[in-house]
Amino acid sequence: AQTVTQSQPEMSVQEAETVTLSCTYDTSESDYYLFWYKQPPSRQMILVIRQEAYKQQNATENRFSVNFQKAAKSFSLKISDSQLGDAAMYFCAYRSALDNQGGKLIFGQGTELSVKP
Amino acid sequence: SQTIHQWPATLVQPVGSPLSLECTVEGTSNPNLYWYRQAAGRGLQLLFYSVGIGQISSEVPQNLSASRPQDRQFILSSKKLLLSDSGFYLCAWGVEGGPYEQFFGPGTRLTVL
Repeated sequence: AQTVTQSQPEMSVQEAETVTLSCTYDTSESDYYLFWYKQPPSRQMILVIRQEAYKQQNATENRFSVNFQKAAKSFSLKISDSQLGDAAMYFCAYRSALDNQGGKLIFGQGTELSVKP
Repeated sequence: SQTIHQWPATLVQPVGSPLSLECTVEGTSNPNLYWYRQAAGRGLQLLFYSVGIGQISSEVPQNLSASRPQDRQFILSSKKLLLSDSGFYLCAWGVEGGPYEQFFGPGTRLTVL
């Protein structure tokens, strides 16, 4: 069974600085998808970024980028120019590409990011 | 555009009482539907998922059940709530052919006393 591990329960960053959140996963599959979700205090889950395992190029979305290391099974999220609105719980998630898995997501335990003004 | 609704937003129930949480999706057809529970603000645990009407897969054995009476309606139920059922319940939808992420509803906060 696949597992997702986020080893940093809490992180802190100064406004305008850069922070990297770590995520590792375990799978025997070669094709899958990885995601970072943000959950602000409202508790609404918001997709931050998506990475397809077959793509070597790291995904980027504005100030958010990932460092995807398939061999190491590592998927870290870098937030540049941190803003107060980035303060939230961040979840890493894995989805198998196999059709018989129902598209379900496996989540890590989350990293709570605080941004200091 | 697609939207997902959950109700109620907040619920306080006594131990042993029944439960019914509802989730509906608009703007898409034949979605995959999911129920997750989040305890103490930490990771999400998948409870049930459905790939079609009447098709329910259970991930964790417990006193909860799910049903999908219509294409875009997903219901989470219990006949008798336990204290351990307290938590934040999230409904989500996705599609098989992509995009491959899931889209989440606003959630229901359930407190069992």
